[in-house]
Amino acid sequence: AQSVTQLGSHVSVSEGALVLLRCNYSSSVPPYLFWYVQYPNQGLQLLLKYTSAATLVKGINGFEAEFKKSETSFHLTKPSAHMSDAAEYFCAVSDDSSWGKLQFGAGTQVVVTP
Amino acid sequence: DGGITQSPKYLFRKEGQNVTLSCEQNLNHDAMYWYRQDPGQGLRLIYYSQIVNDFQKGDIAEGYSVSREKKESFPLTVTSAQKNPTAFYLCASSPPSGRRYEQFFGPGTRLTVL
Repeated sequence: AQSVTQLGSHVSVSEGALVLLRCNYSSSVPPYLFWYVQYPNQGLQLLLKYTSAATLVKGINGFEAEFKKSETSFHLTKPSAHMSDAAEYFCAVSDDSSWGKLQFGAGTQVVVTP
Repeated sequence: DGGITQSPKYLFRKEGQNVTLSCEQNLNHDAMYWYRQDPGQGLRLIYYSQIVNDFQKGDIAEGYSVSREKKESFPLTVTSAQKNPTAFYLCASSPPSGRRYEQFFGPGTRLTVL
């Protein structure tokens, strides 16, 4: 069975500082990994995805994530936070045995301070 | 523009009433999903459908029902048997597995039981 753990339900960063959101997964077969962003009262928007190609994945809005199989991690980073990055972020995992279903982490709320 | 629409955006219901949430997509996707979102719990899968006239229970199907009579539509009924229906409901769809299970989300419906 798959599972996802996001470390830290709330993260506060200063504008211009590094954003680091942690995600660890558990999957018995090679995973597909996703990061989504959600703004208040809206649906989820895909930031980036890992699908067994390059381990360093670049996404929208300056975000990137690195797949590390040995650490079962897929942490999300952005070098310099903007006020517009304030949102909730979800890590999700799927694989070829799950019939397309995604397993989501509990989410990390990001607050950006001036 | 292609996308997923959910209606209504806000819905109020009295206890003991059934209510149906609409989800429509014009992306020509085969698979559709319904999720429930509660604060601090991420997204939990209610039902999913991989093809017209077929659907499967997700992790929290009790008190919910769905139908999939058309490829474009996947309505969710919240029945009076659902003990705590107040939540944010998200519909999603995904293209064939060549996209490695990326899901596209609608804007959501917030249901409040009075």
